[in-house]
Amino acid sequence: GAVVSQHPSRVICKSGTSVKIECRSLDFQATTMFWYRQFPKQSLMLMATSNEGSKATYEQGVEKDKFLINHASLTLSTLTVTSAHPEDSSFYICSAQTGTGILQPQHFGDGTRLSIL
Amino acid sequence: DAKTTQPNSMESNEEEPVHLPCNHSTISGTDYIHWYRQLPSQGPEYVIHGLTSNVNNRMASLAIAEDRKSSTLILHRATLRDAAVYYCILRVYHNTDKLIFGTGTRLQVFP
Repeated sequence: GAVVSQHPSRVICKSGTSVKIECRSLDFQATTMFWYRQFPKQSLMLMATSNEGSKATYEQGVEKDKFLINHASLTLSTLTVTSAHPEDSSFYICSAQTGTGILQPQHFGDGTRLSIL
Repeated sequence: DAKTTQPNSMESNEEEPVHLPCNHSTISGTDYIHWYRQLPSQGPEYVIHGLTSNVNNRMASLAIAEDRKSSTLILHRATLRDAAVYYCILRVYHNTDKLIFGTGTRLQVFP
């Protein structure tokens, strides 16, 4: 149980393109989803917390107009990288919790590898 | 945010036990110790968590020092599939749901 699906798994596109990444909780409802970014050989960096039906909370230094997050339902959150440039190339990973609180584990998707040419 | 310190890398042979240490000297009384691991080219997966007492599940055991300033993740018999980066994370009570990842320990398992 507690499967999180991320789509697409890999994207290669030209500079200036906007890219949408979907994160779905397949067998549970997630009031909270999280978006992370991971550069090669580095750890995961939390970008934003996405709450169903409300605006996302962005971490310091993350541009909210650059990384648009929509959490329209209890099973779907999307991250749109607008006008992507080569420096946005990274591994983007989402996660979801089955409930709130620090005792609830986060369930992660398998990530989206974004390459901007 | 409460911080953890882990060795950058460790090695093990298949079928042997592995003890992955984590120091968290600034831990507060209500902070939980969580472990996640990340296999190559995948998202992380939850391993185990604890507060004060040692914990066991099907994946691993977690041994927590009496003063809670350190903990050890124990893989009883390492397999090749256990090769991953292991992250020790303090879930800070006041920050509720956030997971702040450190650099983790890269575990290599040799046949």
